[in-house]
Amino acid sequence: GAGVSQSPSNKVTEKGKDVELRCDPISGHTALYWYRQSLGQGLEFLIYFQGNSAPDKSGLPSDRFSAERTGGSVSTLTIQRTQQEDSAVYLCASSLRGANNSPLHFGNGTRLTVT
Amino acid sequence: SQQGEEDPQALSIQEGENATMNCSYKTSINNLQWYRQNSGRGLVHLILIRSNEREKHSGRLRVTLDTSKKSSSLLITASRAADTASYFCLDSNTGTASKLTFGTGTRLQVTL
Repeated sequence: GAGVSQSPSNKVTEKGKDVELRCDPISGHTALYWYRQSLGQGLEFLIYFQGNSAPDKSGLPSDRFSAERTGGSVSTLTIQRTQQEDSAVYLCASSLRGANNSPLHFGNGTRLTVT
Repeated sequence: SQQGEEDPQALSIQEGENATMNCSYKTSINNLQWYRQNSGRGLVHLILIRSNEREKHSGRLRVTLDTSKKSSSLLITASRAADTASYFCLDSNTGTASKLTFGTGTRLQVTL
């Protein structure tokens, strides 16, 4: 079946603009994760959803970042008033029941460049 | 939160040689997972080993788990140029699945 789909694959935006990143998880996967990866760095955890609830938002770097998930499926990560330090690859992953029981399936990410 | 730490940070070998990467973690785990990442894009799940398992094989991959030392190793046998990638471990504890944090990974370079 289809894997995790992220859109857009690349996004170039001007500093100060808002951007919206989308993640379509694998159908039936209840857990969804957002990560950020800067060039040559490891993955930085942003937020985790179980169904539509986000029990852990502690990874969001500032109040300019927000995320939601509707219908237990699609998730959107929004970055307001983008800054140059927001430039990174944003990765989404889904899991059937959460990583304590099943592996994570990653999308190919959205490469965000803030100019 | 939980975070595996990979060692070494970088590894360079020739094609045909074996590559061994290590992972250490801090809390009690439910399972430990290894992932591969090519070119800074999405990670690909390689293998999952549960806390009651000591060794697992998948093709040219062999994973061991030592819960007494809180460590795991990933062995890639007969390496190929296509194995060039970054490798990450992820430890999942028996609590909530939130805030899963990856380490900085091992960057493997396989040369011809």
